[in-house]
Amino acid sequence: DAKTTQPNSMESNEEEPVHLPCNHSTISGTDYIHWYRQLPSQGPEYVIHGLTSNVNNRMASLAIAEDRKSSTLILHRATLRDAAVYYCILGVAGSYQLTFGKGTKLSVIP
Amino acid sequence: NAGVTQTPKFQVLKTGQSMTLQCAQDMNHEYMSWYRQDPGMGLRLIHYSVGAGITDQGEVPNGYNVSRSTTEDFPLRLLSAAPSQTSVYFCASSYWDKEETQYFGPGTRLLVL
Repeated sequence: DAKTTQPNSMESNEEEPVHLPCNHSTISGTDYIHWYRQLPSQGPEYVIHGLTSNVNNRMASLAIAEDRKSSTLILHRATLRDAAVYYCILGVAGSYQLTFGKGTKLSVIP
Repeated sequence: NAGVTQTPKFQVLKTGQSMTLQCAQDMNHEYMSWYRQDPGMGLRLIHYSVGAGITDQGEVPNGYNVSRSTTEDFPLRLLSAAPSQTSVYFCASSYWDKEETQYFGPGTRLLVL
């Protein structure tokens, strides 16, 4: 299975940008890169996904390395409500299953 | 749309009891799945379904049964609960496309004594 590697935890000051890294060196050419987050005591929620090009939406931006072996989720201005566990997941070709690792626990400091 | 709904929110069982965790979605999604999440861990896939009448096993299927008689509902059955099944259970659904967003329910907390 294609795997991802993320730091266990990160901290950010409120209203500052946050860059959450993810390594996926075994990614194949058709694997999508998905990001989900899980707020305390809630189910995971979709954040963003991409294949090759950088992506932006109202929640975040996704920067994908040219070789696709790593990506970075960018929260432009962290708020206290962004404190959550962020999961970087590969959408493997031929499978519709999401394989969750332990993710990165983001703490936002007021 | 209500999205993905799960009942009950919390349940306490004794070892050996059986129960069904309910999951429903009103988005006409073909794909539905069940995950469990143990403390400090990521989610692990139990069972999934790609449409009515079709189910398959995930990473940790032992001790659980599923069926999919309608597009909307995907119940998870514990036939004989064990303490090792104490966990938080999440149901998810999406359209049948690997690019599609998966929507998760709020979860059911299960305690088996």
